[in-house]
Amino acid sequence: DTEVTQTPKHLVMGMTNKKSLKCEQHMGHRAMYWYKQKAKKPPELMFVYSYEKLSINESVPSRFSPECPNSSLLNLHLHALQPEDSALYLCASSQVWDRGRRRSGANVLTFGAGSRLTVL
Amino acid sequence: AQTVTQSQPEMSVQEAETVTLSCTYDTSESDYYLFWYKQPPSRQMILVIRQEAYKQQNATENRFSVNFQKAAKSFSLKISDSQLGDAAMYFCAYRRDTGNQFYFGTGTSLTVIP
Repeated sequence: DTEVTQTPKHLVMGMTNKKSLKCEQHMGHRAMYWYKQKAKKPPELMFVYSYEKLSINESVPSRFSPECPNSSLLNLHLHALQPEDSALYLCASSQVWDRGRRRSGANVLTFGAGSRLTVL
Repeated sequence: AQTVTQSQPEMSVQEAETVTLSCTYDTSESDYYLFWYKQPPSRQMILVIRQEAYKQQNATENRFSVNFQKAAKSFSLKISDSQLGDAAMYFCAYRRDTGNQFYFGTGTSLTVIP
């Protein structure tokens, strides 16, 4: 299984709603990522989890709350979003950097298909 | 932070022809990894090809090959025998030898003309 699965594919929410995006992978990867992507733009890193611990938070507003319940799952909880938060949210996973693995070709980022979020 | 530059926002190519997409990057490190990702309109980001900086030989994957010039910090992607399915956004990406952070270029939108 070489997939990263994201649900839902599409989400429409009001500014007062609470919703969650979910991501699952079964590749044994221990690094998981959330990216935000606007149309025709590169992905912007939001969060990185390494061994289920938050290792990078790119100064993301607190209305986005990540959670990594176990090594296969990654959630992004959404609350009180703004219309400008409408975007494609991409989950990705990779092997954790490891000096013993540095030249094994294990440094690839594998993406899910994304969740298209619209905030009204 | 590392910088990845793609100077061609849009490119087009005739079907069956060859096209080269440019990418340059800025780094002071000697060991790192470079990638080309493809994102079709269906939006799934897919790895096209990768290159380890310590390898002098250019990577190839079927119709896709790279021209890796380490001294010039250049990493271009050549697509041979272009097909309609190659139409997509192409992103160049850099990963340091240490850590889990990837840096993406601004992307090149490739159109394939039948």
